[in-house]
Amino acid sequence: AQSVTQLGSHVSVSEGALVLLRCNYSSSVPPYLFWYVQYPNQGLQLLLKYTSAATLVKGINGFEAEFKKSETSFHLTKPSAHMSDAAEYFCAVRIKAAGNKLTFGGGTRVLVKP
Amino acid sequence: DTEVTQTPKHLVMGMTNKKSLKCEQHMGHRAMYWYKQKAKKPPELMFVYSYEKLSINESVPSRFSPECPNSSLLNLHLHALQPEDSALYLCASSPWGAGDAGELFFGEGSRLTVL
Repeated sequence: AQSVTQLGSHVSVSEGALVLLRCNYSSSVPPYLFWYVQYPNQGLQLLLKYTSAATLVKGINGFEAEFKKSETSFHLTKPSAHMSDAAEYFCAVRIKAAGNKLTFGGGTRVLVKP
Repeated sequence: DTEVTQTPKHLVMGMTNKKSLKCEQHMGHRAMYWYKQKAKKPPELMFVYSYEKLSINESVPSRFSPECPNSSLLNLHLHALQPEDSALYLCASSPWGAGDAGELFFGEGSRLTVL
């Protein structure tokens, strides 16, 4: 079965500091991986996706993520946090050979301190 | 038009009421989804329609009844709900049908409160 785990349900960063959100997946076949952001009382917005092309993926709002097969990871980073980055972030996996359902990790809430 | 539109944004209903949530997209997408999201939790898949046919039902109770009248519309009919059904209901769509592994496009959600 596919699953995705986000390490840390809450992350606090200072404005201007590095943002690092961790995501690990479990799958015996190549996955498609996604990062979504959810602002309070809103839906989910796609930040970036990995679909077996380049392993370093750049997304919107200055975010990027690197797919590392050997570590089964897809960590999300942003070099310099902005106050507007405060939100809930979800890593998600989709595997064609396993029902192709989009399955979410538990989420990480990011707090940005001034 | 790159939006998934959900109505109503807020709904309060009693346990004996019948109500519906509506979702609309005009992007020509061929798969549509209903997710349920409880507070401080990730979204959980409920139903998937692919090419207007129900392809996945995640063992959802029958008090939730999905309907896909055409490729642009998705409804969720609600009847005899329980207070624990209170949640944010998210609709999503994807371009190529449920067999494609691309991203989903989400609406803003309908926040349901069952009294």
